[in-house]
Parts: sequence; C-alpha cells; structure tokens
Amino acid sequence: EDQVTQSPEALRLQEGESSSLNCSYTVSGLRGLFWYRQDPGKGPEFLFTLYSAGEEKEKERLKATLTKKESFLHITAPKPEDSATYLCAVQAWGYGQNFVFGPGTRLSVLP
Amino acid sequence: ETGVTQTPRHLVMGMTNKKSLKCEQHLGHNAMYWYKQSAKKPLELMFVYNFKEQTENNSVPSRFSPECPNSSHLFLHLHTLQPEDSALYLCASSQGERGDLAKNIQYFGAGTRLSVL
Repeated sequence: EDQVTQSPEALRLQEGESSSLNCSYTVSGLRGLFWYRQDPGKGPEFLFTLYSAGEEKEKERLKATLTKKESFLHITAPKPEDSATYLCAVQAWGYGQNFVFGPGTRLSVLP
Repeated sequence: ETGVTQTPRHLVMGMTNKKSLKCEQHLGHNAMYWYKQSAKKPLELMFVYNFKEQTENNSVPSRFSPECPNSSHLFLHLHTLQPEDSALYLCASSQGERGDLAKNIQYFGAGTRLSVL
C-alpha cells in the first residue's frame, strides 16, 4: 500500500536556526513528489515538484531534495513568516494524477 | 483574481439541512478535485473529475454528491450530514491526465470550513 509519512510532526525553531523536514514514501513507482505550504485557514500553496532521485529545487530560504526513499525540505535561516504546515504529496504511476498526502509538519519560527 | 475560488468560506449546518459548496477555477485546467481535511489527518481525496467526467470516487458516503457541469465549475452537494463530517473541504484543479508531468501540479482553493451541528 502506498504510504507517505512526515517527520517531525511539529518543529519549533528560533529565527535563523536552520533545519530540515523529512518526507518518507513507499510507492510502487514514483511519478512525482510535491511540496506544499499551508497557512492556518487557507488551502495548500504549491512550492516544488521533484521527479527523480538526485534532483534539487530552491526557492528563497527553502531547498527540496529527493532520494529513492525520501525527500527533505531544508530551511536555511528561517524567519517567522516561514511558520506554516508543510505538506508532502506523492504521485505514483498507475494512480493517474491522484496524490497521496502525508500528514504534514507544523513549523513554528520564533523571533 | 485567485486561480481557484471556493464559496462559502464558512458554513454551519444542521444534520437535516441540504447545502452546496461551490468551486470555480480560472486556470484553464481540465481536472478538478474535492478533498476533506480533518484535524490531525492527511488530506483525503474524495472525488476527481477529468474533462467533466468523474474518474474517482474514493468510497465517499452518498450524503456527499459531486457535480461538475463544466471544466471550470465543481459543486459538492451535502445532505443529512453527520457531526464527524465537520472539516475543511478543499477544491483543487490541475491540467489533467493528458498533460505532461509538470502540468499535474494541483492548485488549491482556500477551502470551506464546514461545521455540522
């Protein structure tokens, strides 16, 4: 059965304290891995797509990487405005365009 | 104008009421989705429409009834709901199955917060 897990469940950082979020997946043929950011009371906002092991994408203080079993979202020198829930989703061959979402990591960055 | 718009943003209904959620996308996409997001649980896919055809019904109870009159509009009709149906209901759209991989990105609306009393 396809599964997506994320760790940690919650993370508190001081402003400027870099860290990484993990997304582990077991799917029968990865088609794509997607990272989203969700603010309270809002819908998920697309951040990155990764398609093959070794691929990396960057946007401001965020960098996403992909291996055959997991993806990391690295946050460098975070600011309070980076506080949000970060969701990971995978798309597998044989499931059309459907996503399987992980439970998310709730990030709080304290000033 | 935002790409995916959902109305209403908040809805309170009794268990015997009938209401509808509306979603409209302005991105020219061909696929639309309904998701349910409950506290402490991952997003649950409910329905998928491709080119107005329902291609996925993820074992959703019949008290939820989707409707997709065209590629830009999606409705979720609700009747005789239960308190455990209280959740954030999210609509998303994407280019669809026939597009290349980069066009499978799903774009979400802000959601409707539903409370069933």
